[in-house]
Amino acid sequence: DTGVSQDPRHKITKRGQNVTFRCDPISEHNRLYWYRQTLGQGPEFLTYFQNEAQLEKSRLLSDRFSAERPKGSFSTLEIQRTEQGDSAMYLCASSFALDQPQHFGDGTRLSIL
Amino acid sequence: GEDVEQSLFLSVREGDSSVINCTYTDSSSTYLYWYKQEPGAGLQLLTYIFSNMDMKQDQRLTVLLNKKDKHLSLRIADTQTGDSAIYFCAEIPPDTGFQKLVFGTGTRLLVSP
Repeated sequence: DTGVSQDPRHKITKRGQNVTFRCDPISEHNRLYWYRQTLGQGPEFLTYFQNEAQLEKSRLLSDRFSAERPKGSFSTLEIQRTEQGDSAMYLCASSFALDQPQHFGDGTRLSIL
Repeated sequence: GEDVEQSLFLSVREGDSSVINCTYTDSSSTYLYWYKQEPGAGLQLLTYIFSNMDMKQDQRLTVLLNKKDKHLSLRIADTQTGDSAIYFCAEIPPDTGFQKLVFGTGTRLLVSP
């Protein structure tokens, strides 16, 4: 299967802990996106990479959030000092080019106790 | 600002046609998308339409686009129980640099035998 892969699928942690998620995009896709989806809502954009460059960040991405894509392949999203409001599904997507559709992974569901 | 609007719920019987409607926000959006989300999973790209088209057919799926009214619909012919899921429409408005998908809140489709 050469789709977008996300790890872990589920993460349960206590408030105040740090968590890190990983996304492996479809091979040769140079654009990578992170979205957040809360219960009953559609996904909301968080940030976007073209190759290793992070080109845009949403104001939803507070200073507790950081994303990297060090070699232009996989990406990580870290949340420091997690809060209850961080509980959500974190979705990663990739696309081959600007006018090509975004393909999503199965997401990482984060639950904060 | 305006939101991408979808009705929340649709119930049909197996074998009937389903029509899911969406009103999007920006008449300059170049591509419009339909994604499907099953419980606990990520988003599966179903189909998309370029803004210079008014109809696209792909097997059981028909997309209709009315740019004047900013209205998008997805028709599923011969709906099956496996089509039960949440369906999201999404646009990429030009004021996002054509990078960010903006989603509706989703329409939950329930198909009964």
